[in-house]
Amino acid sequence: QQQVKQSPQSLIVQKGGISIINCAYENTAFDYFPWYQQFPGKGPALLIAIRPDVSEKKEGRFTISFNKSAKQFSLHIMDSQPGDSATYFCAASKTGTASKLTFGTGTRLQVTL
Amino acid sequence: KAGVTQTPRYLIKTRGQQVTLSCSPISGHRSVSWYQQTPGQGLQFLFEYFSETQRNKGNFPGRFSGRQFSNSRSEMNVSTLELGDSALYLCASSGTSGWETQYFGPGTRLLVL
Repeated sequence: QQQVKQSPQSLIVQKGGISIINCAYENTAFDYFPWYQQFPGKGPALLIAIRPDVSEKKEGRFTISFNKSAKQFSLHIMDSQPGDSATYFCAASKTGTASKLTFGTGTRLQVTL
Repeated sequence: KAGVTQTPRYLIKTRGQQVTLSCSPISGHRSVSWYQQTPGQGLQFLFEYFSETQRNKGNFPGRFSGRQFSNSRSEMNVSTLELGDSALYLCASSGTSGWETQYFGPGTRLLVL
């Protein structure tokens, strides 16, 4: 049973544009929502994470928006750059088991010149 | 600080064989988690070890097992390999089990023929 649904599967954005990736979860016990970035041949690397006590978190060009009532969260990449081209995964876990991440299916982002 | 290291990086086995993969966490980290990444199923949690004890387990058959040593290094074993076990196996470490960020290694790519 897929507990975290991620869309779109792939995304092409022009340099300088905004990339938006969406995720929805089912398990209301989830209370930790990280986003990971993965380049080919590398393991995923934590990009930014949010807990449900805030609705938005920003770090540099990356922003997470969180809607607890809708059980949705999204990643916004402002001023997208070619170096941002990678696969992005949303994930979720619950208190005490942050190591047991449930991942979305991933979004392959391509930023064109 | 050195990152998470995994050995070997690539492995080719035949059906029915068994395989052992190794993971060395970041120095000082006591929690090690293992994930399987495939194009079809995405990233799936296998199990987590903390202080030599398995704390969490995913939905994988008993052919998948692991252990952790007193120095926090971990190994995972897959017995009676099947073609469907071909995947990238990722190891992640964190300081403690619970809230902390997980840092992923580069993975071991296993091909089962």
